Amino acid sequence: NAGVMQNPRHLVRRRGQEARLRCSPMKGHSHVYWYRQLPEEGLKFMVYLQKENIIDESGMPKERFSAEFPKEGPSILRIQQVVRGDSAAYFCASSRGPNTEAFFGQGTRLTVV
Amino acid sequence: KQEVTQIPAALSVPEGENLVLNCSFTDSAIYNLQWFRQDPGKGLTSLLLIQSSQREQTSGRLNASLDKSSGRSTLYIAASQPGDSATYLCAAAAPGGGNKLTFGTGTQLKVEL
Repeated sequence: NAGVMQNPRHLVRRRGQEARLRCSPMKGHSHVYWYRQLPEEGLKFMVYLQKENIIDESGMPKERFSAEFPKEGPSILRIQQVVRGDSAAYFCASSRGPNTEAFFGQGTRLTVV
Repeated sequence: KQEVTQIPAALSVPEGENLVLNCSFTDSAIYNLQWFRQDPGKGLTSLLLIQSSQREQTSGRLNASLDKSSGRSTLYIAASQPGDSATYLCAAAAPGGGNKLTFGTGTQLKVEL
């Protein structure tokens, strides 16, 4: 049973480009969470999704960021027109149910140059 | 708004020593509290999860306690080993569950030979 898979592991984008981060949850998990870890800071909750629904997006920046978890395929965190301040490690976690233990992926490290 | 603090920020101990990592949270209305390990450039590994109704959890050389009334949790590591060197994070889950976690900034542990 593979764990939570995130790709790419490392992503370099120039300012103004788009970044697409993918997260495949563990088998049987239909709940996905995205967190961001800025340099020298703790992990911050961004968004919680269940298949085809955004449950809680209270941690998402109001502009340029969006997330989806379609019926088929991985969850996608999309950052449009990236800026240097978006450089961070983005972690995805998944769980079988809303109150069951969540397991984290290895993260995608985004560098904006 | 929940705030989670971890003390100390960094800790260096000789191999074999028993040690305690501290975590405090401001809002006692938590669903659960979790301890994670993060190795440099890697994802998060869940160590222990304590439900709000529990006082402690044990796994091998690790023991975590929870005192909701005082807003504190401790992670006790017995007979530390160099392989324990990592950053240890605690995270409090919001009352509604759903794995919306508020993380501390971590304690960076180094166990020296």
